[in-house]
Amino acid sequence: EAQVTQNPRYLITVTGKKLTVTCSQNMNHEYMSWYRQDPGLGLRQIYYSMNVEVTDKGDVPEGYKVSRKEKRNFPLILESPSPNQTSLYFCASSNFLRGSYEQYFGPGTRLTVT
Amino acid sequence: GNSVTQMEGPVTLSEEAFLTINCTYTATGYPSLFWYVQYPGEGLQLLLKATKADDKGSNKGFEATYRKETTSFHLEKGSVQVSDSAVYFCALYNNNDMRFGAGTRLTVKP
Repeated sequence: EAQVTQNPRYLITVTGKKLTVTCSQNMNHEYMSWYRQDPGLGLRQIYYSMNVEVTDKGDVPEGYKVSRKEKRNFPLILESPSPNQTSLYFCASSNFLRGSYEQYFGPGTRLTVT
Repeated sequence: GNSVTQMEGPVTLSEEAFLTINCTYTATGYPSLFWYVQYPGEGLQLLLKATKADDKGSNKGFEATYRKETTSFHLEKGSVQVSDSAVYFCALYNNNDMRFGAGTRLTVKP
């Protein structure tokens, strides 16, 4: 089954404790992206990757890091989380480079930073 | 730059009512336009899309027409069901840039 998986689904952590949210897709998509969803703001892009070893900032990259060492994985790293990073996070992938603009989304990770 | 503006919610309708959710966009050139739906506790999934002017996207009884002259892509359904209750996002893709609207929450009451 074609899918995007994220782990963990729920995470409660404390300020400053490094964490990683994993994302994996099994569709051989070149493009992957991270979004955060906040009430009234819709989805805002954090980082995206057009292919392996190619990453770029989205609209709200501050406080986040990503890496793309393999095509299927695109982890999101919060080196020193702060309460304003409490949000719902989505990973997505797509075949943009092959002219298909549909994005496939993971189920989401709800992060709470206290 | 690219942007999407959609009508604010929440929207509450009775079953079998007509639905319209307005969406307008700003973009240079010819963006592709999308409607995504998010059911409770799930990620977004594509509902329909249109890639050029005057195209009509349709799926599950929902329709939207790409209107370049009014830069709009309004979502419509003739008769909503309780199962259509969800959050709907208008989105565009243009020059490697993906933009989403703020989302409109729809609640359909029996």
